[in-house]
Amino acid sequence: NAGVTQTPKFRVLKTGQSMTLLCAQDMNHEYMYWYRQDPGMGLRLIHYSVGEGTTAKGEVPDGYNVSRLKKQNFLLGLESAAPSQTSVYFCASSQSTEAFFGQGTRLTVV
Amino acid sequence: EDKVVQSPLSLVVHEGDTVTLNCSYEVTNFRSLLWYKQEKKAPTFLFMLTSSGIEKKSGRLSSILDKKELFSILNITATQTGDSAVYLCAVEAGGGADGLTFGKGTHLIIQP
Repeated sequence: NAGVTQTPKFRVLKTGQSMTLLCAQDMNHEYMYWYRQDPGMGLRLIHYSVGEGTTAKGEVPDGYNVSRLKKQNFLLGLESAAPSQTSVYFCASSQSTEAFFGQGTRLTVV
Repeated sequence: EDKVVQSPLSLVVHEGDTVTLNCSYEVTNFRSLLWYKQEKKAPTFLFMLTSSGIEKKSGRLSSILDKKELFSILNITATQTGDSAVYLCAVEAGGGADGLTFGKGTHLIIQP
């Protein structure tokens, strides 16, 4: 049982490049979330999904898009990366309240 | 806007000491408060609190919630170097599926 798996684990992008972060969960959870974690800022919610085919904006959605075409997958896209998006990204899933986290993706935009 | 404030932001103690970490919150339609421990990577779940005054305990860790004063504490007794981590407090509020609002965390360092 893998839980929540994020790919890739590390990535370096040039400003203006695009990329997609993949989050996969095998717990049949309805809810999935993308957070970013920056020093001194704690974890902040980017986007979330309450079920297959649904997405909603969180606290810091600008510059990101998401899709939940399949229940087990939640994709986070950066269309045109900016240095301000350098961060560690965590995906999480939950069925009720306790959230299970992936191991994180460290993204650097240069 | 929902807010979660943790204190202190960092704390250095010696092995064997007891520490108390604080979390206060201001949210609309509180549902639950959660504590996580984050070492190098993903946060791992410690406790979920929904009712005032009921202590949750796991080994040397315990936590309690005060819904009247809007805060929670996390206690760690007889600390060990393996307790060194960032401790995150998060609150679930609103409709229930809107994600968690996190505090900035308390960086706890246990010195041998």
